[in-house]
Amino acid sequence: EVQLLESGGGLVQPGESLRLSCAASGFTFSSYAMNWVRQAPGEGLEWVSGISGSGGTTYYADSVKGRFTISRDNSKNTVSLQMNSLRVEDTAIYYCAKGVTMIVPPFDPWGQGTQVTVSS
Amino acid sequence: QSALTQPASVSGSPGQSITISCTGTSSDVGGYNYVSWYQQHPGKAPKLMIYDVSNRPSGVSNRFSASKSDNTASLTISGLQAEDEADYYCSSYVRSRAVVFGGGTKLTVL
Repeated sequence: EVQLLESGGGLVQPGESLRLSCAASGFTFSSYAMNWVRQAPGEGLEWVSGISGSGGTTYYADSVKGRFTISRDNSKNTVSLQMNSLRVEDTAIYYCAKGVTMIVPPFDPWGQGTQVTVSS
Repeated sequence: QSALTQPASVSGSPGQSITISCTGTSSDVGGYNYVSWYQQHPGKAPKLMIYDVSNRPSGVSNRFSASKSDNTASLTISGLQAEDEADYYCSSYVRSRAVVFGGGTKLTVL
């Protein structure tokens, strides 16, 4: 069974940093792209970033480009999202989602999410 | 990376069929077959319902079907059941090497 478990969320002040992690199991991790998708309170889904299976290709949403960095450790089956210069509008539940061989939809499955709150 | 356009809400009675549209451009929905649909119940993570325009993952009811015409994708749910009440999101690959979601549609089963 494929499982994704996010961690690292919390409450931070604007301008601070946070690092999210997602531990994966139940599949050949290095063969699949991984993605982060977020959902602000009461809002819809927003794709944040994706990384190829090898880690050699990364994509970002314009809203986070230059502030967030996605990475993966295929030896530990983990994908991370380093979030710098956080803004109030980054407040959301952040989901880790397994992709396919390329950084394209579909995303399946999704983790349970981790809450990130940016507030002074 | 503008969001795909979905109706904010749709409703239907048990047993009826409903269709949710997802409108994009030739740079996303119209240009690629990487369109997928997700169901999200309150407080839960999204669940994949349709991938690559019209394919159902194993375990998803055949009451869910989907298609695409030009820049608009559509999700149809037939034989509505109370458990179908949820938010539905479409997503697509975008030419600018990104992924975009629709704004979401709240389905109410009357």
